Amino acid sequence: AQSVTQLDSQVPVFEEAPVELRCNYSSSVSVYLFWYVQYPNQGLQLLLKYLSGSTLVKGINGFEAEFNKSQTSFHLRKPSVHISDTAEYFCAVSDPPSNTGKLIFGQGTTLQVKP
Amino acid sequence: GAGVSQSPSNKVTEKGKDVELRCDPISGHTALYWYRQSLGQGLEFLIYFQGNSAPDKSGLPSDRFSAERTGGSVSTLTIQRTQQEDSAVYLCASSLPTGGQGGYTFGSGTRLTVV
Repeated sequence: AQSVTQLDSQVPVFEEAPVELRCNYSSSVSVYLFWYVQYPNQGLQLLLKYLSGSTLVKGINGFEAEFNKSQTSFHLRKPSVHISDTAEYFCAVSDPPSNTGKLIFGQGTTLQVKP
Repeated sequence: GAGVSQSPSNKVTEKGKDVELRCDPISGHTALYWYRQSLGQGLEFLIYFQGNSAPDKSGLPSDRFSAERTGGSVSTLTIQRTQQEDSAVYLCASSLPTGGQGGYTFGSGTRLTVV
């Protein structure tokens, strides 16, 4: 069965600093990968997705992620964070990509941006 | 509507009571998913509907949980004889049939508290 591991439960960072949120997945087949963001008291919003092609994916709000098949990783990065980026971030993998679209989510990483 | 609508946004119920949670998906989205988000946990898949196909109920934690989708649109998640461990945020999402590629659109969730 597929699984997703987000290696950090909390990531504190100062405003304007770079950040990387780590995500590893386990799968024996090709996958689709997603990052979602959840702001307080809101639902999840799609940040970016990898389906195929270029391994560097750019998303909304200046975020990007790189798919690394050999390391089964899909880390999320932003070169300079803002206070408004404070939220919970979820990595997800489709299970499997060919049919239902059911997503398997990681445990989430809380990004805390400090002034 | 413009987004996925869930009601109520908050529900407090006594242990042992039944509750119904409602989800209105985006018009034209044939796929509908229910997830549960418990404090400090990731998102746990509950159930998935796709058009007229039999739902994937593999994530329902017990037979106290059930869900239906009427007319291929509105869905209701029912929890019978609620227990304190049922306290969580219940998230609904919808997508086009190619949900595995396009990702989901999530509602804002129903926060259920069982006292």
